[in-house]
Amino acid sequence: QQQVKQSPQSLIVQKGGISIINCAYENTAFDYFPWYQQFPGKGPALLIAIRPDVSEKKEGRFTISFNKSAKQFSLHIMDSQPGDSATYFCAASKSSGDKLTFGTGTRLAVRP
Amino acid sequence: EPEVTQTPSHQVTQMGQEVILRCVPISNHLYFYWYRQILGQKVEFLVSFYNNEISEKSEIFDDQFSVERPDGSNFTLKIRSTKLEDSAMYFCASSVVLSTGELFFGEGSRLTVL
Repeated sequence: QQQVKQSPQSLIVQKGGISIINCAYENTAFDYFPWYQQFPGKGPALLIAIRPDVSEKKEGRFTISFNKSAKQFSLHIMDSQPGDSATYFCAASKSSGDKLTFGTGTRLAVRP
Repeated sequence: EPEVTQTPSHQVTQMGQEVILRCVPISNHLYFYWYRQILGQKVEFLVSFYNNEISEKSEIFDDQFSVERPDGSNFTLKIRSTKLEDSAMYFCASSVVLSTGELFFGEGSRLTVL
């Protein structure tokens, strides 16, 4: 019940295209859903996050869509750029706790 | 920009040896964490620390692991007797408040156990 399932495992997108990464969770106690971006040899860095009181959050080219009833959330990267090539992790945590449960990661490659 | 710093960046050790990984969290942060990432796998929670005590730990964090905040700035992870399966990237993270999930991660310490 603590798992966060993430797909796809890897994704190749052409420059300018839309990258879409999906996550699903089971624990209804989760109420904070961040996305982390990780470049090789670096630690994860917070990209964007959402709480269940909204269905969508947009920051620049990055958008989180959240479906509370389906217990799913997704990351959309518009106008994908080669510099977006990285591993993306979704995560979830409870409001009463601070532990992040991470998804398995998606390795994104944006072709020039 | 404030950042979490970790040392060493890479440590190679023999099985059975003790290892200490060090972290300097962001200065005004109150909550500290260790996560690990086995090569190519997801990031896994090990332990959280607040007010000089462990607040939560995972099943991975067994008696071989310990954490300490020996002074006002450092936060350490000790592995008493390393095993081959302890080989991983260990990330320190900190946050200023609880329950926002906004963790700031260091660049990691790669531990290789031979």
